[in-house]
Amino acid sequence: GAVVSQHPSRVICKSGTSVKIECRSLDFQATTMFWYRQFPKKSLMLMATSNEGSKATYEQGVEKDKFLINHASLTLSTLTVTSAHPEDSSFYICSATPGQKSTDTQYFGPGTRLTVL
Amino acid sequence: AQSVAQPEDQVNVAEGNPLTVKCTYSVSGNPYLFWYVQYPNRGLQFLLKYITGDNLVKGSYGFEAEFNKSQTSFHLKKPSALVSDSALYFCAVRDRGSGNTPLVFGKGTRLSVIA
Repeated sequence: GAVVSQHPSRVICKSGTSVKIECRSLDFQATTMFWYRQFPKKSLMLMATSNEGSKATYEQGVEKDKFLINHASLTLSTLTVTSAHPEDSSFYICSATPGQKSTDTQYFGPGTRLTVL
Repeated sequence: AQSVAQPEDQVNVAEGNPLTVKCTYSVSGNPYLFWYVQYPNRGLQFLLKYITGDNLVKGSYGFEAEFNKSQTSFHLKKPSALVSDSALYFCAVRDRGSGNTPLVFGKGTRLSVIA
């Protein structure tokens, strides 16, 4: 149980276009999901907390108008990278927790590799 | 503020030998501690967590970790390493009673098991 999926797994786009990444909890409901960004050989950087039915909470330094997050249902959160540029190329990972307690385990999606040309 | 330190960027171990990946934490009060593993171009996979009780926690793939409150450590261990254990390992912490807040991760340790 506790499976999180992401789609697409890999995307290549031209500079200036927008890209949508989906994160789904397959066998549980998640009122909260998290979006991370990972640079090569680096740790995960938390971008934002996605809350079902309300606005996402962004970490300091993350542009909310550039990285649009929509958490429209209890099993789906989307991250849209708007007007993508080469510096947005990265590995994006989402996570979700089947519960609201601090003891609950966070489960991660397989990640999405974004390459902006 | 919570923080996690993984002092080693890289750990090399021969196949069949025991392995240790170090983690120390800094958090007010008693923490919940987690270990994750990441294979190339993949998301993080949960290995184990310490919540309460026995300080020695057993997890997936033969891994275990020992919570040491006095040393504020939560080192990951395995008695006999496999080549397939080669991956990036992350330690993470969360405050008790903080609800469903995001985990705070260490910077990761790359484990290489050599045949």
